[in-house]
Amino acid sequence: DAMVIQNPRYQVTQFGKPVTLSCSQTLNHNVMYWYQQKSSQAPKLLFHYYDKDFNNEADTPDNFQSRRPNTSFCFLDIRSPGLGDAAMYLCATSRGDVSYEQYFGPGTRLTVT
Amino acid sequence: AQKVTQAQTEISVVEKEDVTLDCVYETRDTTYYLFWYKQPPSGELVFLIRRNSFDEQNEISGRYSWNFQKSTSSFNFTITASQVVDSAVYFCALSEAQTSGTYKYIFGTGTRLKVLA
Repeated sequence: DAMVIQNPRYQVTQFGKPVTLSCSQTLNHNVMYWYQQKSSQAPKLLFHYYDKDFNNEADTPDNFQSRRPNTSFCFLDIRSPGLGDAAMYLCATSRGDVSYEQYFGPGTRLTVT
Repeated sequence: AQKVTQAQTEISVVEKEDVTLDCVYETRDTTYYLFWYKQPPSGELVFLIRRNSFDEQNEISGRYSWNFQKSTSSFNFTITASQVVDSAVYFCALSEAQTSGTYKYIFGTGTRLKVLA
């Protein structure tokens, strides 16, 4: 089945140790998004790629970076994770801009020790 | 500024009851899109419905129905004859065009629905 896949589902990293989360999609969608969701809160958009064009949200910390080497894959890099970065990270895709519905992966739960 | 308000933080109902989840939005634009997503305990958000600002027809899909009223800026979601499997957090979301030509997407804070057997 076509889907959005996130690996790993659970990631534990140490304070300050770089970590990379991955997302892949078989939907062939143009747009890929990364959201951060903390407990009992709404997802917060970090950034998105429209094809190769990177769009950063104004309030996304510089500590968060992203790469999209091809249509299918997108990575979230956290350069120096802090305790406050512990959260669920959700990847999503859509056919076009955000006027379209988004399809989400299962998320990666990041723990920072 | 655009805003989505889901005033109901948590709702508990007994199975087979009907339940309505409220969503009120604010936007300055005439062209915008509204969405509902379901987030079950597994964590994966699931798209339920998309509605554009020019389509005020209500929609029914099985036990789910949506009532879009521009006059009150509301896009409410009703589950008829609720089931335990409906237990989840439900998010309402709004997207509207920005002057840059892109769209801004914002989620409400979600309503946690608990359906008790």
